[in-house]
Amino acid sequence: ELKVEQNPLFLSMQEGKNYTIYCNYSTTSDRLYWYRQDPGKSLESLFVLLSNGAVKQEGRLMASLDTKARLSTLHITAAVHDLSATYFCAVAYSGAGSYQLTFGKGTKLSVIP
Amino acid sequence: GAGVSQSPSNKVTEKGKDVELRCDPISGHTALYWYRQRLGQGLEFLIYFQGNSAPDKSGLPSDRFSAERTGESVSTLTIQRTQQEDSAVYLCASSLKGQSNQPQHFGDGTRLSIL
Repeated sequence: ELKVEQNPLFLSMQEGKNYTIYCNYSTTSDRLYWYRQDPGKSLESLFVLLSNGAVKQEGRLMASLDTKARLSTLHITAAVHDLSATYFCAVAYSGAGSYQLTFGKGTKLSVIP
Repeated sequence: GAGVSQSPSNKVTEKGKDVELRCDPISGHTALYWYRQRLGQGLEFLIYFQGNSAPDKSGLPSDRFSAERTGESVSTLTIQRTQQEDSAVYLCASSLKGQSNQPQHFGDGTRLSIL
């Protein structure tokens, strides 16, 4: 069974600071996704990481993937209040011929002015 | 429409009743997924449809849950004899061709509350 663990689950940080969210997974996969969810809203796709060493950046967020370590990171640079949301990582599992996603429990980020 | 559309957005029903949730995927997306999100949790996979292939039902939690999809269009998720533990947000997602290099696009979900 594929397991995906995120840490921390809760993160409170001041504006302007940097921080990293970690996503570990238990079995071989080279497909990892990051999503953002605002309260009461659905999930918004942030990054799709498709290979070992993949790095993608959008604004103040940068995601990377190390398939050998089974680890992805989401790095936040100079946080701003608008980044407050819950961030989920998800790993593609090719069981039963499908590409269902297994999600972590999410990291709830609060950026304090 | 431009995105994945789900209805109803909210549903409150009594324990033991049947409910039907609807998902209209993005036009042209052949892959459709249903997930369940319990309060404060991540998403649990329920079922996957890809074109006219047999669906992957491996995530359905019990035989009270079933889903249908007609071709590459609308899907309905049915929960029979609802229980309180069925209370959750049910999210539908679609993607192009069901390949894992494509992100899944999510609808706003149906918030189901069982009294």
